[in-house]
Amino acid sequence: GAVVSQHPSRVICKSGTSVKIECRSLDFQATTMFWYRQFPKKSLMLMATSNEGSKATYEQGVEKDKFLINHASLTLSTLTVTSAHPEDSSFYICSASETRANEQFFGPGTRLTVL
Amino acid sequence: QQQVKQSPQSLIVQKGGISIINCAYENTAFDYFPWYQQFPGKGPALLIAIRPDVSEKKEGRFTISFNKSAKQFSLHIMDSQPGDSATYFCAASNLDKIIFGKGTRLHILP
Repeated sequence: GAVVSQHPSRVICKSGTSVKIECRSLDFQATTMFWYRQFPKKSLMLMATSNEGSKATYEQGVEKDKFLINHASLTLSTLTVTSAHPEDSSFYICSASETRANEQFFGPGTRLTVL
Repeated sequence: QQQVKQSPQSLIVQKGGISIINCAYENTAFDYFPWYQQFPGKGPALLIAIRPDVSEKKEGRFTISFNKSAKQFSLHIMDSQPGDSATYFCAASNLDKIIFGKGTRLHILP
């Protein structure tokens, strides 16, 4: 099956710093990538959708200046949490789709802890 | 209209028993209904999926039953094993996005 990787798997940072998370589709070209946030024992919340070479589309309530998304190539998307604060601590998961949005393959997730 | 309602929130089943998780949706524009399995600290993995033109799909011990008129679908896990203990999410999607249910934490007693 299609494989999606994320790096890093865990990151701890100080409040006020920025953190970049990478999402890669390893064996297919992802025309669309998605970024989700998941709180403990909760469901996945879609943050934004990005298409290669285009600006990301953010869901209502998600600060675009806080969560910068770049989809520079068909195999790589990055999420940068700018000026991170403790409330940004969460599990961030990306997914990638080659064709339709409903056929998404998920990455293993990144645990972000902001001290 | 974008909601997917999932029940129960948690479920405990004896080893060898049948685990049943139910979901309901509202938006008739959804055309793909996947189920995901998630272990702690990991991303969700696609388990099985169905399209609305089919009433049932079986893959190994996992079966989806789909009732289009009632806008309901369910996951049945036959011969449940301790390794099946995980959180299960139903979802509904169209061309644009996937909407997830709130999840069911399944625990299989050894």
